[in-house]
Amino acid sequence: DTGVSQNPRHKITKRGQNVTFRCDPISEHNRLYWYRQTLGQGPEFLTYFQNEAQLEKSRLLSDRFSAERPKGSFSTLEIQRTEQGDSAMYLCASSLYKDNTEAFFGQGTRLTVV
Amino acid sequence: GNSVTQMEGPVTLSEEAFLTINCTYTATGYPSLFWYVQYPGEGLQLLLKATKADDKGSNKGFEATYRKETTSFHLEKGSVQVSDSAVYFCALLPGSGNTGKLIFGQGTTLQVKP
Repeated sequence: DTGVSQNPRHKITKRGQNVTFRCDPISEHNRLYWYRQTLGQGPEFLTYFQNEAQLEKSRLLSDRFSAERPKGSFSTLEIQRTEQGDSAMYLCASSLYKDNTEAFFGQGTRLTVV
Repeated sequence: GNSVTQMEGPVTLSEEAFLTINCTYTATGYPSLFWYVQYPGEGLQLLLKATKADDKGSNKGFEATYRKETTSFHLEKGSVQVSDSAVYFCALLPGSGNTGKLIFGQGTTLQVKP
């Protein structure tokens, strides 16, 4: 297994456009997380899935954001009508459902909204 | 609520100097504590962890001890190298709820000069 994979690595989009990111977790991991990291800050939790069920969404996740994990494997994060404030690094992580299990992170997708 | 506070950076050291990056936390219950490292343009990599009070996590010459009495998890290394230049994040995993959701500090940039 090559670890958590995210695509694309970089995305530049015009304000108002929709974007979609993909995350492929480690294959045996049933939990998948999305975080957002802005410049000079630590990652902030957005949402997570256990298998295909989305179990929690942060208040940071406005109505323009939607995430899916349709078959409990890969996940997508879509941002509609992007705004300049959406510019950030979007990080995906996966883990096993077990107490205190570490999360493994992907390399992230850097979004720039111009 | 749960939160993590790290010392502000950047921290600039000469090669072979001693490193300390302070981290304190606020949490209910008994969290697990982590240090992650982020190299330029990359995602987060787990550096070390400790799951209960007085545990010492260690990896690649880095150490941190889980101090419940001072609610701290300071990162130390006896002799830093240029290759240690990166951003270091302290994080906690709440002991209750079992969501696996990590709470990060704001990160501390380390610059090691030859």
